[in-house]
Amino acid sequence: DIQMTQSPSSVSASVGDRVTITCRASQGISSWLAWYQQKPGKAPKLLIYAASSLQSGVPSRFSGSGSGTDFTLTISSLQPEDFATYYCQQANSFPPKLTFGGGTKVEIK
Amino acid sequence: EVQLVESGGVVVQPGGSLRLSCAASGFTFDDYAMHWVRQAPGKGLEWVSLISWDGGSTYYADSVKGRFTISRDNSKNSLYLQMNSLRAEDTALYYCAKDIGIAGGYFDYWGQGTLVTVSS
Repeated sequence: DIQMTQSPSSVSASVGDRVTITCRASQGISSWLAWYQQKPGKAPKLLIYAASSLQSGVPSRFSGSGSGTDFTLTISSLQPEDFATYYCQQANSFPPKLTFGGGTKVEIK
Repeated sequence: EVQLVESGGVVVQPGGSLRLSCAASGFTFDDYAMHWVRQAPGKGLEWVSLISWDGGSTYYADSVKGRFTISRDNSKNSLYLQMNSLRAEDTALYYCAKDIGIAGGYFDYWGQGTLVTVSS
């Protein structure tokens, strides 16, 4: 199975900061990667799919990049509502064995 | 508006069985693949199972293969997860999630989840 490793596991940041989260796949997954945001007590929300495609309705301060094994989620200017846990997820394997990274918690500094 | 509403989560003993349901609305249900994803208390996300738009293809995580069965009834806009031989490690919040396409492997809408607790 493809393993997904996120770093850091947590980050402290202030409103207005630029935040970058990385995700590494244990083998190449082309651009088959998504990013999700999860707030406490809520279901995850799709932010980015196909590594860099912004899901409808998601603010443009969120962006994704990368291909192969290394990927990045960037929040260009952190807003109060962005404090949450973020997960990457690969969708490359067939038959499907979809896997998530361990999560990155973005906390208030 | 897309809505996914899960039900069926309860406390069950190890070795027991349970059937989860997910009622879908707000989209053409039989145009999309559907998934179950779970989250153990305080832990990360784990994909559980995928079913194709017509129910003809099903896939499972190794952790549940042979014990869980995913199915759907397109006439009722409903998704199901039959869970047998339950273990303590199956304790989790189970989400129903809509695929972004026929089986793109991305989850663009999620339900609120239903809690399954396996305990004696």
